[in-house]
Formats: sequence, structure tokens, C-alpha cells
Amino acid sequence: DAGVIQSPRHEVTEMGQEVTLRCKPISGHNSLFWYRQTMMRGLELLIYFNNNVPIDDSGMPEDRFSAKMPNASFSTLKIQPSEPRDSAVYFCASSTPRGGTYTGELFFGEGSRLTVL
Amino acid sequence: AQSVTQLDSHVSVSEGTPVLLRCNYSSSYSPSLFWYVQHPNKGLQLLLKYTSAATLVKGINGFEAEFKKSETSFHLTKPSAHMSDAAEYFCVVSGRGNKLVFGAGTILRVKS
Repeated sequence: DAGVIQSPRHEVTEMGQEVTLRCKPISGHNSLFWYRQTMMRGLELLIYFNNNVPIDDSGMPEDRFSAKMPNASFSTLKIQPSEPRDSAVYFCASSTPRGGTYTGELFFGEGSRLTVL
Repeated sequence: AQSVTQLDSHVSVSEGTPVLLRCNYSSSYSPSLFWYVQHPNKGLQLLLKYTSAATLVKGINGFEAEFKKSETSFHLTKPSAHMSDAAEYFCVVSGRGNKLVFGAGTILRVKS
């Protein structure tokens, strides 16, 4: 079974440009999480969805960040406009088979490394 | 609020010697605790979890951790390090709702 799939793996862009990161969760999982990892701040939860509905977006840094989950198999994280301080590795993770109980086990993708010049 | 403190940012061991990665937690209720591992340029992977059953938890790749409520600790151990264990390890506590609170990480270096 395929794991969590993220794209692109690497993105280099210039300040002010729009960036869209994509995630395909594990089939059958009903929770999806977006994390950001930097040396300075470690792993930060940005937002998570249950059954495609955003539950907690308190970690989203500011209005330049937005996330959507139009269906159970796809999510996007968009940054518009991007800034150099957004440079980080962005991880998507999924969890909890439908009808199951949340156990705390997250399945992470390999991340999207974003560099904003 | 729930939090974890990983006491060492870097640990270096020789191959074949024991590994000890230390973690203290703070929780206002009986916590669920986890250790995740991240190999270079990879996502995180669950090593093991404690959810109020046995206090000694066995995970993958020979790792185990012991929950000690009196010491609020959840240290990760392995009897004999292997080169492939070199990675960053995160101690994690469950927070409110579906949130996990990650520690700052401990980078494990294994010398040949």
C-alpha cells in the first residue's frame, strides 16, 4: 500500500510568488495533518483535518497560508505571497482508518523542502 | 498543557554499545507518549507508543522505552547500537484533541 505522497519534493521560488504544496493521504485514513519543520522552531503543527473538515488551524502562521482538503484523497497547502522566512520542510501526515479510533500514530510523507529566495 | 523535554540535543555512541535517549514529560492527565524517528531527508516514523498499558514498551528495530510516572520520564533505550540507528529521535506527548506535542529532537550519531 502506498504511503503518504507529497509533491513537489523540492521547490525553490522567489519572494512574492505563490507556492502550492500537495498531499495524498493513505487511502482510508480520515485525519490529515500539515506540519512545518525548521531548525529554529522544530516541528510545528499548522492545521489538521478530520473527514475533510479543518478542525484546528491555530498553527497557521498568518493569512498568507491557507489549506484545503476538497476530498478524502487530496489536500493542498498554499502560501501567497511567499517570504524567505517560509523556507522550511513541510510535512503531510495522515492517521486513523475510517471507523477506527485515533491512536496517535501518524504516517508521514517524505516532505516538501521549500526555499524562498 | 502537555509538553516534553528531550534532555540531550545530540548523543554519540559507538556501534554495539547501548543507546539511551532521555525524555521528560509534563501532562495534566494520564498521557499517551510516543517516540518517532526521522532518518535524513525522510518523514517521521513511529518507533513505539505508550497508552497506559504495560509500562515497558517494545518498539521496532530493538528499541524500547519505560514509562516512569514518579519520574515523569519516558526514556528510549536499545541494548546495542547499529549504524542504521543514526537518525533524529523525537519524544512526543498527546495533547488536546488529535494534537501531538513534539520534543525538540535528539540527534543520534553512531560511530564505527
